[in-house]
Formats: sequence, structure tokens, C-alpha cells
Amino acid sequence: GAGVSQTPSNKVTEKGKYVELRCDPISGHTALYWYRQSLGQGPEFLIYFQGTGAADDSGLPNDRFFAVRPEGSVSTLKIQRTERGDSAVYLCASSFEAGTGTLEQYFGPGTRLTVT
Amino acid sequence: SQQGEEDPQALSIQEGENATMNCSYKTSINNLQWYRQNSGRGLVHLILIRSNEREKHSGRLRVTLDTSKKSSSLLITASRAADTASYFCATDGGRDDKIIFGKGTRLHILP
Repeated sequence: GAGVSQTPSNKVTEKGKYVELRCDPISGHTALYWYRQSLGQGPEFLIYFQGTGAADDSGLPNDRFFAVRPEGSVSTLKIQRTERGDSAVYLCASSFEAGTGTLEQYFGPGTRLTVT
Repeated sequence: SQQGEEDPQALSIQEGENATMNCSYKTSINNLQWYRQNSGRGLVHLILIRSNEREKHSGRLRVTLDTSKKSSSLLITASRAADTASYFCATDGGRDDKIIFGKGTRLHILP
């Protein structure tokens, strides 16, 4: 079956521009997560959705970052006024409903964002 | 911030040997998971161990969990070239459902 997909796979943008990164989770997965990963580091948690609502957005670095999941399926991560430090691979993952403790997450291939 | 911390940061072994990676964490957990990431590719879930379990096996993988020491180990037996990858432990922090990854161990299997 189809896994988690992310578009675009690569995005190059100029400093100060706005970008949107899209994630299509596995059908039926109610939980969706965004991470970013810098070279040589582990994935850094950004935000997690349970259905349409952001259950935890404590990982968003500042108010330039925002994410939505209006219908409880596809999610979009939005970054305003991009900075060179935003350059990283942005990973999306989904899982079955998270209950007590987090279940196995299925990751997409990521979007490599480069801010010049 | 990252809760889990893997040790060693990098490991090179001969094909056929066993590889052991360790993970330490700071707060209580519900589950601990191990993931693998091949160069330039996405993360793949390997195994999940619950806080009330001490050991779990999956094929050539063996995971142990010691909650009193807040540590876990991942053993890969009879390593193969295809095992070359970065391995991450991920913990759920106990009170919420987000998971936090460590920085990973980069494993290189020598032919």
C-alpha cells in the first residue's frame, strides 16, 4: 500500500521567502508528526497532530513556523521569512491513533529545504 | 531538546560480527523505539519495547531495556553490508505522545 509521501522532494528558496511543505499520511492514520533533521543529527520534533488539531506544537522554533491539517489527513508545514538556518530535511510521519505511549511511526522520504 | 543519547556515535565492524549500540535517556517513558536510516533515505521503524518489557527480539535484532538505569541496547547479530546505516533510539517522554530522537549511532559494516 501507499506510504507517507512528501512534496516537494527538494526545495531551494531565497532568504526571506515563504515556503509550504506538504505531507500525505498513510490512509487511516490519525496522528501526524513533523520533524526536521540537520546533517549528522537525529530528527528534531516540531509538531504533532491528532486528527485536525495540533496536540503538541512545542517543537516549533518560532512564530515563523506554522502547520495545518484542516481535514485530518494532508498536512502543510508553512515557513515564513525563511532564514539560512532553516535549511534542513523536513520529515513527516504518521501513525495509528496514539494512546498511552506513542506507536510505531511511518516516515516519508522528507523534503530537503535549502535557503540561499 | 533530545532525550535519548546513543553510544557510540560511530561504529565500524567486520561483516559477520555483532554490533551493539546503546541508548540512554533522562525521563520516564512508556515506550522506547529503535529506527534505522540509510544514507539519503527515510527512517524505518525496527522495534518497539514497552517500559514493562526487558528484552525483545526481531530476526537478527535484540533489544534490551533497563528502566532503572534509563538505558537500552540494540544488538545486531551476524552483521551484513546492508546493515550500514544510522541507528536512532526514540523515547516518548512518558506523559505525552510525541517522540524524541537521539543523535544516532553511525554503523559501518566493513566487507
